[in-house]
Amino acid sequence: AQKVTQAQTEISVVEKEDVTLDCVYETRDTTYYLFWYKQPPSGELVFLIRRNSFDEQNEISGRYSWNFQKSTSSFNFTITASQVVDSAVYFCALSEARGAQKLVFGQGTRLTINP
Amino acid sequence: GAVVSQHPSRVICKSGTSVKIECRSLDFQATTMFWYRQFPKKSLMLMATSNEGSKATYEQGVEKDKFLINHASLTLSTLTVTSAHPEDSSFYICSAREGSSGRHEQFFGPGTRLTVL
Repeated sequence: AQKVTQAQTEISVVEKEDVTLDCVYETRDTTYYLFWYKQPPSGELVFLIRRNSFDEQNEISGRYSWNFQKSTSSFNFTITASQVVDSAVYFCALSEARGAQKLVFGQGTRLTINP
Repeated sequence: GAVVSQHPSRVICKSGTSVKIECRSLDFQATTMFWYRQFPKKSLMLMATSNEGSKATYEQGVEKDKFLINHASLTLSTLTVTSAHPEDSSFYICSAREGSSGRHEQFFGPGTRLTVL
């Protein structure tokens, strides 16, 4: 069975600090996809990134970066120079690459950026 | 980008009534749609997967007679909560996946907040 664990339930930092959100996953599939989503207070899920299990290159998009380590089954997300607008709940998710490709979500990390 | 809409965004109903929630893919054809449920401060839990023209596949523990799903066209799926009770109050989110391009992203709707009195 697939499982995603986000051990940090809540994180609070001061604006401009860097913050890393941890994500650890379990799967028996050799091919899978990993995702990060942002859920602001409005409730709508915002897609941030999708990573194929074959691609272990780290990715940077502006202030966001992701570190995929297959050896430790982790897919961590770092926000550099955080801003108040980054405050939201962030979900890490995993899907199988074949079949229905259902998403399994982690418990989410509530990130609060204080001015 | 691909857009998915949900209607209504909020609904309040009395206990015992049925509520229908619509999920539409606006600019693509969705061969597969997913329905999730999210309780306050909790994660999203997949309720069912629906493929156009066939019966939905429900996750373990989800009552198919309670949560009726219809995916009658490539752009519309509906979730009907039958004989709603206060414990059905939740945030319901749908997502849709485009079938033709082989893309693996699910595009999420904005969600429907259901309150059962």
